[in-house]
Amino acid sequence: KQEVTQIPAALSVPEGENLVLNCSFTDSAIYNLQWFRQDPGKGLTSLLLIQSSQREQTSGRLNASLDKSSGRSTLYIAASQPGDSATYLCAVGDFGNEKLTFGTGTRLTIIP
Amino acid sequence: DTEVTQTPKHLVMGMTNKKSLKCEQHMGHRAMYWYKQKAKKPPELMFVYSYEKLSINESVPSRFSPECPNSSLLNLHLHALQPEDSALYLCASGRGGRTEAFFGQGTRLTVV
Repeated sequence: KQEVTQIPAALSVPEGENLVLNCSFTDSAIYNLQWFRQDPGKGLTSLLLIQSSQREQTSGRLNASLDKSSGRSTLYIAASQPGDSATYLCAVGDFGNEKLTFGTGTRLTIIP
Repeated sequence: DTEVTQTPKHLVMGMTNKKSLKCEQHMGHRAMYWYKQKAKKPPELMFVYSYEKLSINESVPSRFSPECPNSSLLNLHLHALQPEDSALYLCASGRGGRTEAFFGQGTRLTVV
């Protein structure tokens, strides 16, 4: 059974800093990995999708990497802003079915 | 248009009530999903529909009954729920397989 873990569970950084969020998964037989953002009480906003054959994806100030063999992904946020404050979730698309298995999430606070 | 629309946004129901949650997408996606999210926890998969047929049921209690009337609509019928079923219910859609999943804003359900 796929297990997805995110460390740290919570992170507070001053505005303007670059930061890295981590995601690890136990079964490397995956289709893809997706990063989401969730504001309190709201739905999920898709940030980046990395296919299993890719090493990284970039969108604006966000860069996500994938090392499938080691079961790890990172989300890099450059020049953080207070509006980046949210919970960030990674989700693994398991090979052979339609399931997304979510990580435990990192609650990010950017301090103005 | 990458929008998944869920109604209602909030729902309070008694344990003897029958209610339904609705989800709609017009992106031509073949896969639609129901997830349940408890406070401060990651979303957990409940059901997956692929081409309007139920493909995954994650051993969900029968008091939750999904329905996919057509390729754009997904319903979740609720009956005889328990207070512990109170949660944020999220709908998602995607092309399936290796593709990106898009989530709605969720329905906040409270069972009293």
